[in-house]
Amino acid sequence: ETGVTQSPTHLIKTRGQQVTLRCSSQSGHNTVSWYQQALGQGPQFIFQYYREEENGRGNFPPRFSGLQFPNYSSELNVNALELDDSALYLCASSLDPWTSYNSPLHFGNGTRLTVT
Amino acid sequence: GESVGLHLPTLSVQEGDNSIINCAYSNSASDYFIWYKQESGKGPQFIIDIRSNMDKRQGQRVTVLLNKTVKHLSLQIAATQPGDSAVYFCAEGGSGGGADGLTFGKGTHLIIQP
Repeated sequence: ETGVTQSPTHLIKTRGQQVTLRCSSQSGHNTVSWYQQALGQGPQFIFQYYREEENGRGNFPPRFSGLQFPNYSSELNVNALELDDSALYLCASSLDPWTSYNSPLHFGNGTRLTVT
Repeated sequence: GESVGLHLPTLSVQEGDNSIINCAYSNSASDYFIWYKQESGKGPQFIIDIRSNMDKRQGQRVTVLLNKTVKHLSLQIAATQPGDSAVYFCAEGGSGGGADGLTFGKGTHLIIQP
């Protein structure tokens, strides 16, 4: 069984630039969620994708957007990067959108984004 | 403030002892709770979860206890090993299901003393 994989592992960008992060979900999982984890903090929910559509969203501005593809992989796009966007970005997949004993979130190891 | 929090940022235990990590939550509508372990440089790793219609659930060497009266969640790790050293997060899921996302606390760093 293949776990959640994310790329790249590290990335350095300049303020104002745009970035795309990629995620392949765990085999058999059709739902992908993205989280932002600042240093020393717990992850914060950005959004969830199911059936190629945004299915739920946390308190993040519209410059955070995403895509999900027919093979359930996903992208997170961030426009107009700000210094505060520096964080670990985590992708998580699950069997379906409804958290349950059969569908806990399984996380990848994240992409470390540094904005200078 | 945060919906989910932990009582202690750091917990130090002797190898072989039992560890108890505590968590308080404030959203009485939450019906799903989950514990994750995060090692340095890695993503959170699922440990165990529990729904609000239960007050205890056991896994391999771990037990989660839920007290809805005082909105308290705990993770018990039996016979703590060096490999248990990590940051532990509790998280809650709202009654709206997974589309609301999980709300995480700040985490407790578990340190194992030899």
